[in-house]
Amino acid sequence: DAGVIQSPRHEVTEMGQEVTLRCKPISGHNSLFWYRQTMMRGLELLIYFNNNVPIDDSGMPEDRFSAKMPNASFSTLKIQPSEPRDSAVYFCASSLFGTALYEQYFGPGTRLTVT
Amino acid sequence: TQLLEQSPQFLSIQEGENLTVYCNSSSVFSSLQWYRQEPGEGPVLLVTVVTGGEVKKLKRLTFQFGDARKDSSLHITAAQTGDTGLYLCAGAQGGGATNKLIFGTGTLLAVQP
Repeated sequence: DAGVIQSPRHEVTEMGQEVTLRCKPISGHNSLFWYRQTMMRGLELLIYFNNNVPIDDSGMPEDRFSAKMPNASFSTLKIQPSEPRDSAVYFCASSLFGTALYEQYFGPGTRLTVT
Repeated sequence: TQLLEQSPQFLSIQEGENLTVYCNSSSVFSSLQWYRQEPGEGPVLLVTVVTGGEVKKLKRLTFQFGDARKDSSLHITAAQTGDTGLYLCAGAQGGGATNKLIFGTGTLLAVQP
């Protein structure tokens, strides 16, 4: 079975450019999470969706960040305009909401470098 | 704000040694998970514990959930180089209010040959 799929795996862009990260969750999962990981701050939750509806976006750093989930099999995280401090590894994870275990399955991540 | 503190932050040991990683909080969790993350990859779920006092074994790894469901430990026996990675604990509040996880600060383990 396919796990969580993220693209691109690596992205290098210049400051001020728009960046779009993509995620396909595990088929049948109805929760999707976007995280950011840096050495300084560890793993931070940015936003999560249940049944395609954003539930908690309190972790989104500022208005430059936006996320959408138009259907159960696709989500995007957009940064516009990008800044050097956005450089990090961005992970998408999915899970099955409604179980008591709350287990999450992560994708391989997108390493973003903003110069 | 709920916090999960892990200790130690860094650990470098020789192959064959034993080690224990701790995950502590002042909050109660309905379940707690341990993940391992290798360089260039996403975290991979190792185990979920749900009952206070529960002990689970996964080959050379032993996981324990504290009686009060506020803390957990991971013990590795006879560490191997393949155990190298970042170990993360994560707690769930449960109760249906939210299904997000609170992740710990992480323990970076290096097992030297």
